[in-house]
Formats: sequence, C-alpha cells, structure tokens
Amino acid sequence: AQSVTQPDIHITVSEGASLELRCNYSYGATPYLFWYVQSPGQGLQLLLKYFSGDTLVQGIKGFEAEFKRSQSSFNLRKPSVHWSDAAEYFCAVGSYSGGGADGLTFGKGTHLIIQP
Amino acid sequence: DTAVSQTPKYLVTQMGNDKSIKCEQNLGHDTMYWYKQDSKKFLKIMFSYNNKELIINETVPNRFSPKSPDKAHLNLHINSLELGDSAVYFCASSQDHRGRSYTFGSGTRLTVV
Repeated sequence: AQSVTQPDIHITVSEGASLELRCNYSYGATPYLFWYVQSPGQGLQLLLKYFSGDTLVQGIKGFEAEFKRSQSSFNLRKPSVHWSDAAEYFCAVGSYSGGGADGLTFGKGTHLIIQP
Repeated sequence: DTAVSQTPKYLVTQMGNDKSIKCEQNLGHDTMYWYKQDSKKFLKIMFSYNNKELIINETVPNRFSPKSPDKAHLNLHINSLELGDSAVYFCASSQDHRGRSYTFGSGTRLTVV
C-alpha cells in the first residue's frame, strides 16, 4: 500500500524567506503526486500536481515542486513566502490499481508559521 | 458556480441520531469520494464511487453508508452517531478512475454532542 511521509510537523519561516516542505512517498509504480493547502476552517486547495513529464512542476501562488524518483520525494518550494502563506500543507499520492480509483493517500501535514 | 458542493457546511447533532451529508458535482466527473479529516487534521479516504459502483470501501463502521442516486451525487448517511464521528467530512470528485482533475468540496464540520 502507498504511504506519504511529511517529516516536519511545524515549520516557522520569516516573511520573505525561502521555503521548502518535504514529502516522501512509498509506492510501487509511478505515482500521481499532489500538494494541497488548507487555511484554518477552510477546504483543500490544490497547489500543484505531478502525473508525468517534466519533473519540476509549477503551481499556483508561486509554488513549485520537484519529483525525484531516486529519492521518492516531491518537495514543495517557494522562493519568498508571504504572511498569507501561513496554513497547513498536505502532500498526497494517488494510485490507480487497474480496477478503479484508490483515492488519495495523504501525509499528516506540515503546519507553516510565518514570522513577521 | 461551485464545482463540488456539500451541504450542510456545519452539522451539530446528538449521539444516537441519524444524519446525512449531501454532495453534488457539476463537473461531469465519473468518480466521487468521501474523506474524513479528524481532529489532528489527518485525512483518510472512506469511500469512492465510479459510475454508481462502489470501488473501494475502507474499514469504516457500517453505520456509514454512501448513497449515489446518480453520477453527480454522492451522499453520506450516518446511523447512530457517536462522539468519535465528530470530524470534517470532505466530498471530492475526479475526472476518471485514474484520479485526474481531483476537486474537493469545502467540507462539512460534524459535531456530535
């Protein structure tokens, strides 16, 4: 079964500084990979996704992520964070077993705090 | 013009009651899902439906039953509610069974008292 690990429960970054959120996955075949953001009391917003092709994926709000098969990683980056980026970030892996959709398996999330 | 809409947004109910959460998508997607987010914000899939067929059914209590009257709707019915059912429930849909164009609803916060 697939799994997703987000090793950092909390990360604190100064406004304007760069950001990297780590995500490692375990999956036997080529995964579908996603990053979602959730603001307090809100739903899930898709930041970006990787299905195939270019391993560097551009998303919304200035975020990007790089798929590294050799490291089983899909880390999320942003060159300069804004106070509005404070939120919970989830990495997820999707699978397709051939018999139908298996849904998304989520990591436990990383809580991003922005310092002024 | 909401793509995946859930109702109600908030639901407070007493233990032992039966309740339903409705979900509708206007994207023409083939597959719909229900996810549960617990108090620690952990998200886990509960069910998915593809063309009105249940594809997966995670080990959730049989008090939870998904009902899909048509491809655009997947409702979640919960019998005999327990305190531990308090959570945020998200509906989602995807373009096909490969999980493309995944879209989530805004969630339903269920509180059992």
